[in-house]
Amino acid sequence: DQQVKQNSPSLSVQEGRISILNCDYTNSMFDYFLWYKKYPAEGPTFLISISSIKDKNEDGRFTVFLNKSAKHLSLHIVPSQPGDSAVYFCAGSGSARQLTFGSGTQLTVLP
Amino acid sequence: DGGITQSPKYLFRKEGQNVTLSCEQNLNHDAMYWYRQDPGQGLRLIYYSQIVNDFQKGDIAEGYSVSREKKESFPLTVTSAQKNPTAFYLCASSIPGANYGYTFGSGTRLTVV
Repeated sequence: DQQVKQNSPSLSVQEGRISILNCDYTNSMFDYFLWYKKYPAEGPTFLISISSIKDKNEDGRFTVFLNKSAKHLSLHIVPSQPGDSAVYFCAGSGSARQLTFGSGTQLTVLP
Repeated sequence: DGGITQSPKYLFRKEGQNVTLSCEQNLNHDAMYWYRQDPGQGLRLIYYSQIVNDFQKGDIAEGYSVSREKKESFPLTVTSAQKNPTAFYLCASSIPGANYGYTFGSGTRLTVV
């Protein structure tokens, strides 16, 4: 039972364009969502988060959108840079503050 | 500098042998976690501990064991009972109840030869 789903295993985008990574969840008890970025052979690093009471959170080039009715969130990266090439995981957090991760999306930004 | 240290970075093990992966943190976090990453499978939770001397099984605990004798340390033993141990293992820590998410170590790549 996958509570957090990232249906696109990979995404390629041209440098300077927008990258949109999607994530769906089934657990209505999640009240916080996070995005992590992971380079090969390294641990994931926190990127951006959003509370379920909000529908948007922005941090520089990164914006996360939350659609609670659709149980869907997305991460927008504008403009995309080659250094953004990595695996991106979304995660949901409930009252216990344990994270449930999606399977990840490999983003490749082409120069 | 606070952080999580996993060692070694690369580990080779013969079939039938147990091996222990180290995870140490100096962030004063109460909670610690072990995840396994396989291609296309994301991060799967093996074990977690919310407090010293207590730990719980995650989604894929079979063939693994842990201990939490000190707040700073949460070693993971991959036993010979684990049928497919070759993977990338990640340790993380957090403040229970906080919205800060997890801090991850840099991982250990275990290969069974």
